Amino acid sequence: AQSVSQHNHHVILSEAASLELGCNYSYGGTVNLFWYVQYPGQHLQLLLKYFSGDPLVKGIKGFEAEFIKSKFSFNLRKPSVQWSDTAEYFCAVIPTGGGNKLTFGTGTQLKVEL
Amino acid sequence: EAQVTQNPRYLITVTGKKLTVTCSQNMNHEYMSWYRQDPGLGLRQIYYSMNVEVTDKGDVPEGYKVSRKEKRNFPLILESPSPNQTSLYFCASSQDRGTGELFFGEGSRLTVL
Repeated sequence: AQSVSQHNHHVILSEAASLELGCNYSYGGTVNLFWYVQYPGQHLQLLLKYFSGDPLVKGIKGFEAEFIKSKFSFNLRKPSVQWSDTAEYFCAVIPTGGGNKLTFGTGTQLKVEL
Repeated sequence: EAQVTQNPRYLITVTGKKLTVTCSQNMNHEYMSWYRQDPGLGLRQIYYSMNVEVTDKGDVPEGYKVSRKEKRNFPLILESPSPNQTSLYFCASSQDRGTGELFFGEGSRLTVL
């Protein structure tokens, strides 16, 4: 079975700082990878996804993530965060080709201060 | 508007009093799933359904039941709620079960006293 690790549980940044949130997964085969975001009091929304091809994927609101197969990593980045990026971020993985379960990491709470 | 609708959004109940959290999606999705979200544990899958009349256990199914009699609805049933089921519950659906691209409901915050 697959598993996901998010090493940063709480991150506090000032506006305009750069962001990188770590995500590592464990699985013996190929996977689809995701970042979901949960703004305060809201439901989860898809931020970006990787299925195949270019390992650098771009999502909404200026976020991007890079899949490094050799490191089993899918780190989330943003060059300059805004106060409105305050949210909880979840990395998730599902085996390619028909897995039944999307496995989530434990989440990273990001707080952006003005 | 495409959406997943859950009810109730907030509920306080007492131990042992049966309750149902409804979930309905209007996107004609085949795949539906229930997750619970707890601090420090992320989201854990309770049950999922590949299609009508096809359901299966996720990681934490104990104390829960589900049914899928219609494609659009996937209710979560707590036959005898206990305090350890106090949590935030999310229903989600997907057009293609294999992609992992889920559409989530707004969440149902359940407190069991």
